[in-house]
Amino acid sequence: ELKVEQNPLFLSMQEGKNYTIYCNYSTTSDRLYWYRQDPGKSLESLFVLLSNGAVKQEGRLMASLDTKARLSTLHITAAVHDLSATYFCAVFPSGYALNFGKGTSLLVTP
Amino acid sequence: DSGVTQTPKHLITATGQRVTLRCSPRSGDLSVYWYQQSLDQGLQFLIQYYNGEERAKGNILERFSAQQFPDLHSELNLSSLELGDSALYFCASSREAGNTEAFFGQGTRLTVV
Repeated sequence: ELKVEQNPLFLSMQEGKNYTIYCNYSTTSDRLYWYRQDPGKSLESLFVLLSNGAVKQEGRLMASLDTKARLSTLHITAAVHDLSATYFCAVFPSGYALNFGKGTSLLVTP
Repeated sequence: DSGVTQTPKHLITATGQRVTLRCSPRSGDLSVYWYQQSLDQGLQFLIQYYNGEERAKGNILERFSAQQFPDLHSELNLSSLELGDSALYFCASSREAGNTEAFFGQGTRLTVV
């Protein structure tokens, strides 16, 4: 059974601090997806990581993928309140649909 | 705006009833996915259609069914509703059948009372 595990599930951090969210998955996959969800809202695509070693950055967020370790990270730099949301990673196991982790609820406080 | 349209946005109905949720995918997308999001279960994949055909099935209850029409819009039918079916139901679409970026609609919040 495919497992997509995110760590931590809850994260409270101060503005200006750095932190990393981890996403481990149990199946072979050469690409991984990160989404953001605000409370009660839809999922917004953040990053599509297409190959081993892929790194993508958008503002204060940077995502990377290590397919050999089956690990992706989402690094937050100098957090601001607007980054407060739930972040999901997801993979496509063969012949199936996007399988999501449980999500990391991030709260950035002053 | 992702380009994926779901209706209705909110739905309140009684136990035992039947409802239909509708999804219009992004222009050019052939694949439609349905997901259920509840607090205790997270995002659960229900079912996928590709160009009118069922492609993959997840944790979809027998009381639930879906279809994709020739114009590629999709409907999710939920019957004999129970309190535990209260959740956010998302539709997503993508160009291909799998391993491509999926774009999500705004969701339908279903409340069963």
